[in-house]
This record gives sequence, C-alpha cells and structure tokens, in this order.
Amino acid sequence: QTVVTQEPSFSVSPGGTVTLTCGLSSGSVSTKYYPSWYQQTPGQAPRTLIYSTTTRSSGVPDRFSGSIVGNKAALTITGAQADDESDYYCVLYMGSGIWVFGGGTKLTVL
Amino acid sequence: QVHLVESGGGVVQPGRSLRLSCGASGFPFRNYGMHWVRQAPGKGLEWVAIIWYDGSKKYYADSVKGRFTISRDNSKNTLSLQMNSLRAEDTAVYYCVPTGHAPDWYYFDNWGQGTLVTVSS
Repeated sequence: QTVVTQEPSFSVSPGGTVTLTCGLSSGSVSTKYYPSWYQQTPGQAPRTLIYSTTTRSSGVPDRFSGSIVGNKAALTITGAQADDESDYYCVLYMGSGIWVFGGGTKLTVL
Repeated sequence: QVHLVESGGGVVQPGRSLRLSCGASGFPFRNYGMHWVRQAPGKGLEWVAIIWYDGSKKYYADSVKGRFTISRDNSKNTLSLQMNSLRAEDTAVYYCVPTGHAPDWYYFDNWGQGTLVTVSS
C-alpha cells in the first residue's frame, strides 16, 4: 500500500518562506507522478494551486511555486501572508487510473 | 464559469445504499474525465473514483472497490456515484471534480461545495 507523506504541520513567519514536501513511503517522487497541490481553509472546498509539478493554476499568485526537491515534490510559499494559513494537500498520480492524496500539512502563519 | 453542484447526501444506516449526483455546467462536460473525492470530518482528502470522459474506463480506490459505482450521462451533464453496503467510515463530504484540461489532465480542477454523507444507525 503506497503512502503519500506530508509534514503534519508547519509554521512560518509573515513574510517568510516555507517549503512543504510530498514524498512516498517507498521510492522517489518525480514528474511522472504529476504532483499537484491544493489549499483548503476550514469549511471551504479545496482550491487548486499547482499541477504537473510546477504549473500554477489560473489566478494563483506567483509566490506559490512547485518543484521537485531531492526525492520529493515541493510547494514553496515565498513572502507568506496571514491568509496563507490553511491546510495544504498534495496528490500523486500512481498510474493505472489511481490517485493518492497525502495526509495534508496544516500551515500556521505566526 | 465552471459550476458543480453535488446532491443526494444525507443520513443512511450502515449496510444501506445511497446515490449521489453532480450537475455540471460552464464547461464541455463530455470532454472531461470526472473524479469523486471525499473528506471525512476533520480528516484529509481521499480520492474515490474516476470515470473517463466517454465513460469507457472507471477506476476506484481500494477502500470502495466493489461497493461504489461511478457513472455519467453526457446528455444531461451529470455525474453519479452509487454507494452500496455503506460503512461508518464512508461518512464524508463528497466532491465531484473534473480532471484538468488536456494534456495536463492528471489533476483536480474546480471544486464544488460537496455533499455530506453520514452513515450512522
């Protein structure tokens, strides 16, 4: 059973930079997994941020960026703002029509 | 503007069935694959199922395989999820979500507000 791993929580200071990661319990994440990232605030539906590793969804500010760092997918927020305080989820395409979400990272801005 | 409206949620007893629907508008529904994604109360997102744009292929998460069936009616721009043998752990908000646009179709693009399914006796 493949598990997609994310940090359970992270904190960043306003104006700071934070990198959240998305890994695999076994193996390395590469572009072939088409990693994508979603932001969700309590009580709201998720919002698509990044897809295909690095592509920003329409309307997403450029302080959100995606990449591969080492053996993981990464979401970097540069110049964090108070309203970036949210849950962030990655999802990987495992092939054969199967997707797996990570457990999510709760980001605190303080 | 993409608009997705999930419906059919409610309270159901364990072992019973429920059928969810999703009405789509604002995009060429028949050209897009469609996912169901769920979120248990206070928990993370879980992918449930996908159906190809033309209904030719369907795939399911192991947790629902054999119990849930995804289907679509392109003439009515409607997606469905038939849920049988429901369990307490199926309690969640269920979202219908289009795939991304080709060739980058491997992501989830545009989310509705979801419909809550509660499985409880």
